[in-house]
Amino acid sequence: EVQLVESGGGLVQPGGSLRLSCAASGFTLSTYYMTWVRQAPGKGLEWVANIKQDGTEKTYVDSVKDRFSISRDNAKNSLSLEMNSLRAEDTALYYCVRGVITAGRSAFDIWGQGTMVTVSS
Amino acid sequence: QSALTQPPSASGSPGQSVTISCTGTSSDVGGHNYVSWYQQHPGKAPKLMIYEVSKRPSGVPDRFSGSKSGNTASLTVSGLQAEDEADYYCSSYAGSNKLVFGGGTKLTVL
Repeated sequence: EVQLVESGGGLVQPGGSLRLSCAASGFTLSTYYMTWVRQAPGKGLEWVANIKQDGTEKTYVDSVKDRFSISRDNAKNSLSLEMNSLRAEDTALYYCVRGVITAGRSAFDIWGQGTMVTVSS
Repeated sequence: QSALTQPPSASGSPGQSVTISCTGTSSDVGGHNYVSWYQQHPGKAPKLMIYEVSKRPSGVPDRFSGSKSGNTASLTVSGLQAEDEADYYCSSYAGSNKLVFGGGTKLTVL
């Protein structure tokens, strides 16, 4: 079964750090563009960051640039999101998502269940 | 980048058709044929319904169709069914490896 499973979310104080992980199974991670998408409670979807198949290109939404870092380990079939200098507005459910094979940066066919990040004192 | 504009709500009776719009700019919707649509039921992860403006992934009913004209993309749901009641989000490639989502539309089946 093709699956993405996120972990690493939790409660963190403003200014703190957190590392999210995403374990992929049922497919070869190295074939696909991967992305993190977040959804604040009761709000819409927001694209956060993506990473090319070989890890050579990484792109971020302006609001997280210089604070978040996306990475991947194709040998371990895993994706990560390192989050630093966290703010209250980063509070959201974070989804790990797989890009469709023909439009990897722009459409996502497999979604994890999400991991919740809460930034609060 | 600014979010794409969607109506907050839409509705229709079973069997009817409903169209949800998604308006952007020439930098995103109008400039690329990479518009996608997602369906999200409460408490669930989003599901890809349409990609590259009008392509349907395997398993998505052909009652769902997508189109684009200028800076506005549209999702049409024909033959509305109760299970179509959900939130719908559009997204578009915005250049420079970036993506932007719409604010979402709550579809109600009357």
